[in-house]
Amino acid sequence: GAVVSQHPSRVICKSGTSVKIECRSLDFQATTMFWYRQFPKQSLMLMATSNEGSKATYEQGVEKDKFLINHASLTLSTLTVTSAHPEDSSFYICSAQDQGSSNQPQHFGDGTRLSIL
Amino acid sequence: QKEVEQDPGPLSVPEGAIVSLNCTYSNSAFQYFMWYRQYSRKGPELLMYTYSSGNKEDGRFTAQVDKSSKYISLFIRDSQPSDSATYLCAMSVYQAGTALIFGKGTTLSVSS
Repeated sequence: GAVVSQHPSRVICKSGTSVKIECRSLDFQATTMFWYRQFPKQSLMLMATSNEGSKATYEQGVEKDKFLINHASLTLSTLTVTSAHPEDSSFYICSAQDQGSSNQPQHFGDGTRLSIL
Repeated sequence: QKEVEQDPGPLSVPEGAIVSLNCTYSNSAFQYFMWYRQYSRKGPELLMYTYSSGNKEDGRFTAQVDKSSKYISLFIRDSQPSDSATYLCAMSVYQAGTALIFGKGTTLSVSS
């Protein structure tokens, strides 16, 4: 079945560091990928929609200069948390949908747990 | 009122029990409904996907959708300790190209 790979799975770094998270669709192409954030015991909240070859669309309240998204190919989207601070600590999850099988739902990566000290 | 409401639990049942998980929603435009299972520190794993009112069965899992009541359910038969996880309902208006709206998730614990 469709597989979405997310890397790294865990990041611990100092405040002020920028962190890049990769999301890859391994066996399908995805024009659109989605980035979610999940706080402990909370649901997944959409941060932004990543569109291949164009600018990402951000949800209200999500700073586009803070969370940089690049979707340079049909199998890769990256999320960069710039100058991360402790309040950015969270579980970041990406999802993708096979553009060749629109009748199938989105598949999710295994998430990246980001801890900012 | 949130778009999707889901009781977070926790829900504890003995092995072999039938589990019922539910979500209600307010947006009548939702047409596609999913149930995901999420283990601790992992991404959501798709369990069931349906887009019409009625029941859909897959092994021990049955998804039920009642669009007139804006209510969806997931039933787990013969529950196993390995079913212990958080179950998230999710829905969308369109089939493709749009993000999912999630419930808060229900934490289930099945004891042996």
